Amino acid sequence: GIQVEQSPPDLILQEGANSTLRCNFSDSVNNLQWFHQNPWGQLINLFYIPSGTKQNGRLSATTVATERYSLLYISSSQTTDSGVYFCAVLGGYGQNFVFGPGTRLSVLP
Amino acid sequence: KAGVTQTPRYLIKTRGQQVTLSCSPISGHRSVSWYQQTPGQGLQFLFEYFSETQRNKGNFPGRFSGRQFSNSRSEMNVSTLELGDSALYLCASSSGTSGGNEQFFGPGTRLTVL
Repeated sequence: GIQVEQSPPDLILQEGANSTLRCNFSDSVNNLQWFHQNPWGQLINLFYIPSGTKQNGRLSATTVATERYSLLYISSSQTTDSGVYFCAVLGGYGQNFVFGPGTRLSVLP
Repeated sequence: KAGVTQTPRYLIKTRGQQVTLSCSPISGHRSVSWYQQTPGQGLQFLFEYFSETQRNKGNFPGRFSGRQFSNSRSEMNVSTLELGDSALYLCASSSGTSGGNEQFFGPGTRLTVL
């Protein structure tokens, strides 16, 4: 099945700094999503981005499907951005969603 | 539109008992998937139901089972609970009509097995 890697595993930033999170996947995908898991465990949808570039406020994401990677950019980070960021991909129809191991982000005041 | 709901939110059981968790998808969504999240194994796929049929299954023992009702609500059951079943159980809903549908997750059920 598809393998998903995320880097870095941990990231500590000062409030106001920018960051880039990376997701590599081993095969072509029909779906790629970025999530933020809040302290209570809920997965918050950030982007549905199997290809191309999207922006939502201080966050943006780019997926280069031909090179099998996706990037999540967080600008002007805030303490509320802290948490774990997951990338998840879906291969062909009928396959299951595969999650990466996550990047744990800590934003310090 | 209401989001994905899961009940109960927290559950404490003892080894050997069984448990049933419930998930109500977003209205109009026909696919419900279940995931287990543990610190050691991360987020792992359990199974997916679409129109009352199991469409996909992960690598979990037969103690884990599920079903989906005609209104798309889904339940998962774990029998003969083990300490290692302590986890956050998440369900996701999607329209399920094509291979790339966006998934939306519920708040999860946190299960503790003593």
